[in-house]
Order: sequence, then C-alpha cells, then structure tokens
Amino acid sequence: GDSVTQMEGPVTLSEEAFLTINCTYTATGYPSLFWYVQYPGEGLQLLLKATKADDKGSNKGFEATYRKETTSFHLEKGSVQVSDSAVYFCALSVGSARQLTFGSGTQLTVLP
Amino acid sequence: KAGVTQTPRYLIKTRGQQVTLSCSPISGHRSVSWYQQTPGQGLQFLFEYFSETQRNKGNFPGRFSGRQFSNSRSEMNVSTLELGDSALYLCASSPAGQGLGEKLFFGSGTQLSVL
Repeated sequence: GDSVTQMEGPVTLSEEAFLTINCTYTATGYPSLFWYVQYPGEGLQLLLKATKADDKGSNKGFEATYRKETTSFHLEKGSVQVSDSAVYFCALSVGSARQLTFGSGTQLTVLP
Repeated sequence: KAGVTQTPRYLIKTRGQQVTLSCSPISGHRSVSWYQQTPGQGLQFLFEYFSETQRNKGNFPGRFSGRQFSNSRSEMNVSTLELGDSALYLCASSPAGQGLGEKLFFGSGTQLSVL
C-alpha cells in the first residue's frame, strides 16, 4: 500500500537557521505530493504541493522538490522564524483516490 | 467566506456511549472528508462523501459511520465508544471536480476524549 515516512521529531532550531525535514514515500501509482502545516489548536493548512517529477513546490519561503528517483519530497527553508513553529506533515494522494496518506508529522520549534 | 466549521470543539464521553460530530463545509463545497488524528497512529482517512453518497472509505470498523445532507453538511457517528477512539477528528471540504490536496480545506477539529 501507499505510505509516507517522515523524519522523526521534535526539531528545535534557532531563528534564522536552515531547516530540512525529510520525507520519503512508497506509492502504488504515480502520486501527487504535499506538505501540510498544523499550528497549535488549528486544522491542517496546505503549505505546498508538487504533482509530477522534478516539480518544485514553494510557499512562504518553504520549498520541496518531487524526486522520483529517490522517492523523496524533503521540505526546506533557508531561514526559519519563530512563527514557523508548528507540526509539518508530508502527504500523498494517488490517481483518482480522493484521500490523503499522511506521514507521522514533525514538530518544529523555533527559538528566538 | 467562512471556513470549515466543526462542532463541538471538545467532547467527553464514556466507554460504550455513542457520539455524533458535525461538519459544515465551505459554501459551495460538495465533498466532505473525515480524518482521525491520534499521537500513535497519526492522521488516518475515515471516509469521504459527495452529494450525499459515500465515495471512499478507510480501514475503520463499522462502528464508525457518516452521512451527508443535501446542503453538504456532514455528520460522523461513532457507536459503542472505546478508549482508543480518543482522538482529534478533522473534517475537510473541497469543491466538486477539483484535484485532491490543493483544494482541501480542513476544519479545526473536534477533540473527543473517551473515559
């Protein structure tokens, strides 16, 4: 079946540090890939997406590139802010299946 | 435009009881999905409804059920509650005919505690 493996957390960084959260996937078909973010007490929000190999999704300074050869979709940001503290989820959907398969989530804390 | 609204925000029940959670999608959205979020299992897909019909179902026991009304509002029901049903239940809505993910909007969830 389909699955997503995310880097174990929690991750604690100082403000302006570089962020990488690793994500790899296994899919029965050709997936679309997503990063979602969950702030405390809130639901999930789409951060970025990529729908085909070598696509780069980007939003709010975050980037992730769809790497088919390594089945990866790592999330990066060059300079994190305190306001980026949240839980980040990598997810995929395959074909016409109208459901998301999520990774376990990575808690990020950014210290001033 | 109002977002996805879930009620109640918090709920406490005891084992063996049943519970109903409500979700009002964004106006104009016809698809509603439900997810269960727990520390141990993470986020897991429960089911998806479109035009009052269940289109897709995850791997959950029959105690978990749902329905959708003609105004696209949805409810999910859990019967004979177990301690392991304690979770944050998230509802998400999307417009008809759109690709998944980029058009999926989540509510803040209902936190269910089973004692």
